[in-house]
Amino acid sequence: DAGVTQSPTHLIKTRGQQVTLRCSPKSGHDTVSWYQQALGQGPQFIFQYYEEEERQRGNFPDRFSGHQFPNYSSELNVNALLLGDSALYLCASSLGGPGYTFGSGTRLTVV
Amino acid sequence: SQQGEEDPQALSIQEGENATMNCSYKTSINNLQWYRQNSGRGLVHLILIRSNEREKHSGRLRVTLDTSKKSSSLLITASRAADTASYFCATGASGGSYIPTFGRGTSLIVHP
Repeated sequence: DAGVTQSPTHLIKTRGQQVTLRCSPKSGHDTVSWYQQALGQGPQFIFQYYEEEERQRGNFPDRFSGHQFPNYSSELNVNALLLGDSALYLCASSLGGPGYTFGSGTRLTVV
Repeated sequence: SQQGEEDPQALSIQEGENATMNCSYKTSINNLQWYRQNSGRGLVHLILIRSNEREKHSGRLRVTLDTSKKSSSLLITASRAADTASYFCATGASGGSYIPTFGRGTSLIVHP
């Protein structure tokens, strides 16, 4: 039974560019959440998707947007990249309850 | 902002010793979870304790929760080198939100 799959594993982008990160949830899970984790910090909640809609959002600017597809997979888009957006981006899936399954993350470096 | 704060920030012990990490939080919760993260990769869910529970066990892990003090502790008994990782507590707010809010974590190093 596959867990949460994220792609790509690593990514280097230039300041001002746009990036799309992808996530396939664990089989049977219908809720996807995205987190940003800066070096040495805990994960910060970006937003959560359920039934193809953004259900809840953390304290992140509108440059961060997302999408959930009918098969429950999800994308995280970040526009106008800043150096401060460099971080590990984690996707987690769940059935809406507290048991989250995390992917291995995408390491984004903005230069 | 981060809800939970782990203490200590770093812990270094010898294999076979017990490791205790603490977590304090500020607002009412309906559950508290502990996660492990190896080398900056994905988080692994270890254990969940609900606000009406005081203690929970899972293998070598023991978690306690004191809602009056807004604090929790994670005890790893008979630690192994493979336990070396960062450990995070994550709180789920009262009112039904299951979205975990993470602290900064405790970095545990277990020396063989």
